[in-house]
Amino acid sequence: QSVLTQPPSVSGAPGQRVTISCTGSSSNIGAGYDVHWYQQLPGTAPKLLIYGNSNRPSGVPDRFSGSKSGTSASLAITGLQAEDEADYCCQSYDSSLSGSVFGGGTKLTVL
Amino acid sequence: EVQLVESGGGLVQPGGSLRLSCAASGFSFSSYAMHWVRQAPGKGLEYVSAISSNGGSTYYANSVKGRFTISRDNSKNTLYLQMGSLRAEDMAVYYCAREDPAPWAFDIWGQGTMVTVSS
Repeated sequence: QSVLTQPPSVSGAPGQRVTISCTGSSSNIGAGYDVHWYQQLPGTAPKLLIYGNSNRPSGVPDRFSGSKSGTSASLAITGLQAEDEADYCCQSYDSSLSGSVFGGGTKLTVL
Repeated sequence: EVQLVESGGGLVQPGGSLRLSCAASGFSFSSYAMHWVRQAPGKGLEYVSAISSNGGSTYYANSVKGRFTISRDNSKNTLYLQMGSLRAEDMAVYYCAREDPAPWAFDIWGQGTMVTVSS
């Protein structure tokens, strides 16, 4: 059971918009700690996609965006492409654990 | 090229020990906090351990506290994870990662090294 809760899977057709939610609590996201998002293609290491809730590292397309409100955060992907098919995972800091926590991950399928 | 390369994984019996290494190149290793994250087969990411840039502060997830030790040698640009009293549930791919550009965000990851715990 992950501290941050994500849907196990989402799907969308090419060109569509999908969102992935990440629900935490008052000791992590709700406490104001930043949320980061990672993309993990099959058999590869995670790649930082969004940091500090809504910032994109250099090289990440602006089709990817992040937001945070209350005890939850969301990752939105617009103009879905086949290459976006991957696992997506959120991360934050938890004050009760005094360390980082990850969501369980969401598998995105491009139909 | 900025790069992290893990090594040291392998097969170990329950109760055994193993030391993982993570060699950094292409950046000023001593300026960054470093972390270990693991991923069991078919499962999500699990946070393991952290160490500050100068090695003075460390953090461990409850699941490994007292059994694992994180350390670094800034003169060798290398991060370590000494793992002891290994259990079946420790079996995973272990990744090292660099913290940047925000607190607890990891912008550079190694390719991972597999640790198998089995008799």
